[in-house]
Amino acid sequence: GAGVSQSPRYKVAKRGQDVALRCDPISGHVSLFWYQQALGQGPEFLTYFQNEAQLDKSGLPSDRFFAERPEGSVSTLKIQRTQQEDSAVYLCASSFRRERGNQPQHFGDGTRLSIL
Amino acid sequence: EDKVVQSPLSLVVHEGDTVTLNCSYEVTNFRSLLWYKQEKKAPTFLFMLTSSGIEKKSGRLSSILDKKELFSILNITATQTGDSAIYLCAVGGSQGNLIFGKGTKLSVKP
Repeated sequence: GAGVSQSPRYKVAKRGQDVALRCDPISGHVSLFWYQQALGQGPEFLTYFQNEAQLDKSGLPSDRFFAERPEGSVSTLKIQRTQQEDSAVYLCASSFRRERGNQPQHFGDGTRLSIL
Repeated sequence: EDKVVQSPLSLVVHEGDTVTLNCSYEVTNFRSLLWYKQEKKAPTFLFMLTSSGIEKKSGRLSSILDKKELFSILNITATQTGDSAIYLCAVGGSQGNLIFGKGTKLSVKP
């Protein structure tokens, strides 16, 4: 596709349920990033993949958050035993070059997650 | 701790006005500074700046970076209602991820 595609666009879950959010990056983009954006805030980094390798997961807020990109393309962010503070927009971004930095990241529309 | 600070946090202007949005940063191993426009959906890439003093321009938008004073500005001339959005400033360090400010919410009134 022409851009980064995320699904679902909206997700409502009850506290304690597990959720899975999908990201389909721009074709050929090596790097993939997940961000969390709370209401009224800028996006905050969660984790970074280069191809299938998860090179940085320092932003994941707890061990309930898990991300994978098994074939170096589509990525899934999974949140287990969701809590109300997990409510946010989850943004995925991709960029082309292998080396870090100096390359614009292109964002998907995000998944708005609401935990009841 | 790395941080990016944007000001003002919100701004209301009338069509035709010129606005200047500010972004200051303290980031280890600075690589680049990026501006994004966010309406209801994805942040849309505007500019990436890596060198001081070189203005980047696209239509009515322009931006410049000062690496000595650690700030950037985004200018929008002859504003239109379609410019209403949140403008995000982000800095890329050596780790690859972007560190974002909170954004400036711009409202352009007819």
